[in-house]
Amino acid sequence: AQSVTQLDSHVSVSEGTPVLLRCNYSSSYSPSLFWYVQHPNKGLQLLLKYTSAATLVKGINGFEAEFKKSETSFHLTKPSAHMSDAAEYFCVVSDQGGGSQGNLIFGKGTKLSVKP
Amino acid sequence: DTEVTQTPKHLVMGMTNKKSLKCEQHMGHRAMYWYKQKAKKPPELMFVYSYEKLSINESVPSRFSPECPNSSLLNLHLHALQPEDSALYLCASSLSPDGGGNTGELFFGEGSRLTVL
Repeated sequence: AQSVTQLDSHVSVSEGTPVLLRCNYSSSYSPSLFWYVQHPNKGLQLLLKYTSAATLVKGINGFEAEFKKSETSFHLTKPSAHMSDAAEYFCVVSDQGGGSQGNLIFGKGTKLSVKP
Repeated sequence: DTEVTQTPKHLVMGMTNKKSLKCEQHMGHRAMYWYKQKAKKPPELMFVYSYEKLSINESVPSRFSPECPNSSLLNLHLHALQPEDSALYLCASSLSPDGGGNTGELFFGEGSRLTVL
């Protein structure tokens, strides 16, 4: 069975400092992993995705994530936070090639606050 | 065009009203989804349409009735809703509903904020 755990419900950083949002997953198959961002009263936007190619994935807005199979982790990082990064972030797992229509498992979300 | 467009953005309705939420995409995607999102929670899957046919219904009450008139449009008909149905309703689409072609990436609309009085 698949599952995804976001280890922090709320992360607060100062502008210009690094961001680390943690995600661990469990999957029976070769997973696809995603990070989505949701700004207040908006829909979800894909930040980046891992689909069994390079383990270090670069996304939009300077975010990147590293797939570590041995640690079953897919943590999201950014070297320098910007005020506009304040949002809710969801880690999502999907079983690849498993008839995966609609079979996305969302983490509970991490709210990122950025202080001036 | 990489957008999923949802209307209306906001909807207030009474428990006896009938209303509809609409969703449109012109990316040629063959799978479309309805999600419900309560405040401070992740989205919860409601329905999946694959090639315009309902393929997944996550035990959603019958007061929610989905419809897919064609490959670009998805509706959610609402009738006799309860106050606890108040939420953000998100529409999404993906390139292909089958396992081989679908890496799971969804394109989301901005949602319709529903308030049931």
